[in-house]
Amino acid sequence: QVQLVESGGGLVKPGGSLRLSCAASGFSFSDYYMSWIRQAPGKGLEWVSYISSSGGSIYYADSVKGRFTVSRDNAKNSLSLQMNSLRAEDTAVYYCARRGTGSYGLDVWGPGTTVTVSS
Amino acid sequence: DIQMTQSPSSLSASVGDRVTITCQASQDIRNYLNWYQQKPGKAPKLLIYDASNLETGVPSRFSGSGSGTDFTFTISSLQPEDIATYYCHQYHNLPWTFGQGTKVEIK
Repeated sequence: QVQLVESGGGLVKPGGSLRLSCAASGFSFSDYYMSWIRQAPGKGLEWVSYISSSGGSIYYADSVKGRFTVSRDNAKNSLSLQMNSLRAEDTAVYYCARRGTGSYGLDVWGPGTTVTVSS
Repeated sequence: DIQMTQSPSSLSASVGDRVTITCQASQDIRNYLNWYQQKPGKAPKLLIYDASNLETGVPSRFSGSGSGTDFTFTISSLQPEDIATYYCHQYHNLPWTFGQGTKVEIK
């Protein structure tokens, strides 16, 4: 079935780095734009990044620009988020999500992976 | 950035009640708005896309309307399984932004 599964979360010290991965299955990954969304504990949803189906267009929220890098490997059906210079305010559950075709609804989400930035 | 003001922040209603949530954008976003449901400990789920289109498989008691700056999300007859937090989401401009959420509880 159509599925996204994130991995790579964990506890990291401020200033540290972490790489999140999102494995896609059950659909033609290379046809879809993908996004990362995060949710701090007890808070709402925050858009983080967006990458086109080919990887040729990439956008970031100002809060992560210059520190996070999104990439994709269509041959491996995989999406990644490299997070550097992590701050306490980056602590959140990180979700990868698929943008539907024909609309901009995020129609498939992974279960999320938790990133905790703390000394 | 486009600000999305969602109200109320929480509500309590009885099973069978009609529930309405509003979302106001700080500028015209046409119909570039989605609604999501998030249950505790789970990922969000797309319910409504492009302001008024029901996602496949979503019960017809959920509906959305509006365009421009003012949008409404309605549950026509609240069911126990609808207990969740609901978010609006604009994609007219980057950065995409979400409303702060509406927590729906059973009275």
